[in-house]
Amino acid sequence: DAKTTQPNSMESNEEEPVHLPCNHSTISGTDYIHWYRQLPSQGPEYVIHGLTSNVNNRMASLAIAEDRKSSTLILHRATLRDAAVYYCILRANSGYALNFGKGTSLLVTP
Amino acid sequence: EAGVAQSPRYKIIEKRQSVAFWCNPISGHATLYWYQQILGQGPKLLIQFQNNGVVDDSQLPKDRFSAERLKGVDSTLKIQPAKLEDSAVYLCASSLVQGRTGELFFGEGSRLTVL
Repeated sequence: DAKTTQPNSMESNEEEPVHLPCNHSTISGTDYIHWYRQLPSQGPEYVIHGLTSNVNNRMASLAIAEDRKSSTLILHRATLRDAAVYYCILRANSGYALNFGKGTSLLVTP
Repeated sequence: EAGVAQSPRYKIIEKRQSVAFWCNPISGHATLYWYQQILGQGPKLLIQFQNNGVVDDSQLPKDRFSAERLKGVDSTLKIQPAKLEDSAVYLCASSLVQGRTGELFFGEGSRLTVL
């Protein structure tokens, strides 16, 4: 499986934008880029996914590099409730399981 | 819509004892997953079911772990005998394979402590 690389941790101030990077230099042409997050003491939850074009939803935006070797999850205004571990995952198709790495632990301070 | 239900939420046992975890997926979801999450790590897939058939159990320690999904709905994960290194959160997830995103919906997990 193609692997992803994320920083272990990041810190942000409340109400400021957060850019969470993910490197995936060995991504294949059919891999989708998925982001999940895991709040403390909860199971992971879906955030967003994309293939080539940038994507927006009510939770976040996903910016994908033109060569697809990296992507960035953007939280437009961080809140204290956004403090979580964020996982960037490559997935060939919707029939496959998700293979999680260690993710990025996001700390949001007031 | 009801989410993925798991029980028990917490379980403490001594090594060499047995334990079972139960999962009820979201209604209509054909695919069910069991993950193991050790403290400080991301979840690791143990087994994936499609209806009541096994799709992937390559990372399931079959000498002590077993899982079944009778009638393609509920699932049970069993550990017998437990070891200290089995202390972890066991997460169940389900998905609509044919859905737009194939999004996985996770339960809150069952935390196991082996003493």
